[in-house]
Amino acid sequence: DTEVTQTPKHLVMGMTNKKSLKCEQHMGHRAMYWYKQKAKKPPELMFVYSYEKLSINESVPSRFSPECPNSSLLNLHLHALQPEDSALYLCASRGPVRGGNTGELFFGEGSRLTVL
Amino acid sequence: GENVEQHPSTLSVQEGDSAVIKCTYSDSASNYFPWYKQELGKRPQLIIDIRSNVGEKKDQRIAVTLNKTAKHFSLHITETQPEDSAVYFCAATSGTYKYIFGTGTRLKVLA
Repeated sequence: DTEVTQTPKHLVMGMTNKKSLKCEQHMGHRAMYWYKQKAKKPPELMFVYSYEKLSINESVPSRFSPECPNSSLLNLHLHALQPEDSALYLCASRGPVRGGNTGELFFGEGSRLTVL
Repeated sequence: GENVEQHPSTLSVQEGDSAVIKCTYSDSASNYFPWYKQELGKRPQLIIDIRSNVGEKKDQRIAVTLNKTAKHFSLHITETQPEDSAVYFCAATSGTYKYIFGTGTRLKVLA
């Protein structure tokens, strides 16, 4: 199984709503990522979890709150978002860089978020 | 800070012609260089990658070259087909968790 599964695929929320994005992988990868991607732009790193601990936070506003309940799951909790937060949110996982593993990032299909 | 420049931003080629996309990185510690293809509305997918101890790698119609001295790496697609039309992103990483992506190249293959 080389899949990273994200739900929901589409989400529309108001600025006062609280919602969550979910990501799951069963490849045994211990590094999981959240990226934000605007149209015609590259993925922009938000957070990295390594062994269920937050490793990187790219100065993301606190209205985005990540959570890694276990090695297979990654959540992104959303609260009081702004219309400019509308984007495609991509989850990715990466195996350890050793032996034959090349450090490939496996991306999910993304959750397209619209904030009204 | 770390940076990856990618050129051109758009590229149109006739079907059957070759396409070349170039990236330049700034972090001399970078040692892994993947290329991702992203079709409209889809996830980025790895199409080829190269490590810093290799100068060239080929997979059928796709090849990547790396010049460590100049900090350049390039994607070469030969015999282009309409299904090669997509946005291509290069990236560089030094083996930490951070991947620095280029700004993307929109490739159009004209039938």
